[in-house]
Amino acid sequence: DTEVTQTPKHLVMGMTNKKSLKCEQHMGHRAMYWYKQKAKKPPELMFVYSYEKLSINESVPSRFSPECPNSSLLNLHLHALQPEDSALYLCASSSQRGGDGELFFGEGSRLTVL
Amino acid sequence: DAKTTQPNSMESNEEEPVHLPCNHSTISGTDYIHWYRQLPSQGPEYVIHGLTSNVNNRMASLAIAEDRKSSTLILHRATLRDAAVYYCILRGNTGTASKLTFGTGTRLQVTL
Repeated sequence: DTEVTQTPKHLVMGMTNKKSLKCEQHMGHRAMYWYKQKAKKPPELMFVYSYEKLSINESVPSRFSPECPNSSLLNLHLHALQPEDSALYLCASSSQRGGDGELFFGEGSRLTVL
Repeated sequence: DAKTTQPNSMESNEEEPVHLPCNHSTISGTDYIHWYRQLPSQGPEYVIHGLTSNVNNRMASLAIAEDRKSSTLILHRATLRDAAVYYCILRGNTGTASKLTFGTGTRLQVTL
């Protein structure tokens, strides 16, 4: 199994809602990542988890709250988002944090904030 | 973050080889050179990576210059399914240098 599974594929939420994005992998990877991608732009790194601990936060606003409850699962909790947060949210995993490891990406969760 | 420079776009005919260039003059000795591609409406897909020697896999070949300041991704026979944005990324080994930071990439168009 070389898949990274993201749910939901599409999410529409209001600015006062609380929702979560979920990412799952069963490759035994210990590094997991959240990226944000706006239309026609490259993906931007948001968070990196290594062995279930947050190791990199790219100065992401606190309305985005990541969580890694176990080595297979990565969540992104969303609260009080703005319309400009509408984007494709991509999850990825890799077997190692170092440069020799490739990242496996999910198909993404497309978020629309009304 | 070490930077890469790629052409914004390239065109190729189907079944012809494609050479996608990447300049990375500020590469450090421990940076790996990674290539990913993103097809329309999909997440990025790993293509190939290397450190110093040329690399081949089922998808492509990676040619790395001797001074490591540039590299070339080679698709041996382009197909319509290879139309995508190709990203050349440097990835260090430790700490924040190991972040995979995407640049603007090269949009490859493949025509019949």
